Amino acid sequence: EVQLVESGGGLVQPGGSLRLSCAASGFSFDTFWMTWVRQAPGKGLEWVANIKHDGSEKYYVASVKGRFTISRDNAKNSLYVQMNSLRAEDTAVYYCARDRGRGYDLWGRGTLVTVSS
Amino acid sequence: EIVVTQSPATLSLSPGERATLSCRASQNVNSSLAWYQQKPGQAPRLLIYGASNRATGIPARFSGSGSGTDFTLTISSLEPEDFVVYYCQQRSVWPPTFGQGTKLEI
Repeated sequence: EVQLVESGGGLVQPGGSLRLSCAASGFSFDTFWMTWVRQAPGKGLEWVANIKHDGSEKYYVASVKGRFTISRDNAKNSLYVQMNSLRAEDTAVYYCARDRGRGYDLWGRGTLVTVSS
Repeated sequence: EIVVTQSPATLSLSPGERATLSCRASQNVNSSLAWYQQKPGQAPRLLIYGASNRATGIPARFSGSGSGTDFTLTISSLEPEDFVVYYCQQRSVWPPTFGQGTKLEI
């Protein structure tokens, strides 16, 4: 089955760290750009970061640059985001998505990150 | 950063009616625009890419048009399951940015 499954979300204190994972299956993971998109509770969608199929290029939205690091392990068909110095405004459902170059055509169900003391 | 503005924020229609959702970019994005549908508690789903191309498995009642800065998503005859939230996204200029969404309600 073609799918993406996120994990690693949870409750973390401000200033803390969390690592999210996204396990891909059913397609050639190593041929696609991959993306993280987040959605704060009751809000719209926000692009967070993306990474080229071979990991050689990475891009971030300004609000997370220097705090988040996107990475991938093509041998494990997995995408990651290491989130440091977390803030209350990082609270959101984090989705991983496959980028076909024309849109995100495959999404995971998301994992909730809550930053609160 | 390109600002993407969707209108209206909420659109009230009835099943069987035609829906027209608008998306405006603050700069020219050519045809690099996608539309997504999001049902409550679910991930978004790609509807339209390249401004006017239906994604795989999307019913023919969904169509997209426009180029440059002004875009439209049209649902020709609303089904009950269409009353959810729709987002557009420009993919022409980094960073890719989403509109704030249009909620379609009965």
